[in-house]
Amino acid sequence: NAGVTQTPKFRILKIGQSMTLQCAQDMNHNYMYWYRQDPGMGLKLIYYSVGAGITDKGEVPNGYNVSRSTTEDFPLRLELAAPSQTSVYFCASSYGQGSGNTIYFGEGSWLTVV
Amino acid sequence: ELKVEQNPLFLSMQEGKNYTIYCNYSTTSDRLYWYRQDPGKSLESLFVLLSNGAVKQEGRLMASLDTKARLSTLHITAAVHDLSATYFCAVGYDDKIIFGKGTRLHILP
Repeated sequence: NAGVTQTPKFRILKIGQSMTLQCAQDMNHNYMYWYRQDPGMGLKLIYYSVGAGITDKGEVPNGYNVSRSTTEDFPLRLELAAPSQTSVYFCASSYGQGSGNTIYFGEGSWLTVV
Repeated sequence: ELKVEQNPLFLSMQEGKNYTIYCNYSTTSDRLYWYRQDPGKSLESLFVLLSNGAVKQEGRLMASLDTKARLSTLHITAAVHDLSATYFCAVGYDDKIIFGKGTRLHILP
């Protein structure tokens, strides 16, 4: 039972480079989320999706893009990486909001921009 | 815009004592979540609270929800060292889930 799988787990990027953080879930969840967590801080919502083909901005979307072409996958793209994007990124998924279902988190992706 | 505030942000307490963490939020919501995070790890779901007056308990942890006051509490009974962690509340708003800053709990033996 894989749940929510994130890759890579660790990555170092140079300023100005681009990369994609991958997120896949095998629970047939409709809702998927991307959060970032800075050291000693809470989680900030970057983007979320309520189903394939539908995405929307969260609290801190600038500098990021997402797509949701399938139910299973929700990749997060960083364009022109900046030191301020150094953070831990968590992907999460759930069946849906109305039912109050548990939200499942991936193990996180540690990103450093130098 | 939804604001979620937790207090205290840091808490150091002795084993065997009781304490409460508070979570206030600014907008009407019908979903309140509590999570635990250990250092360097992901988030573990503790409770999902869906209605006014909801109370859930697991071991030494008990969570409650007052939707009229926009307040949830996480009560720790007779704390033990294993409960040392950071605890987050999160509130559902439209299709988003917004987190508080977390309460870092350190339980002294």
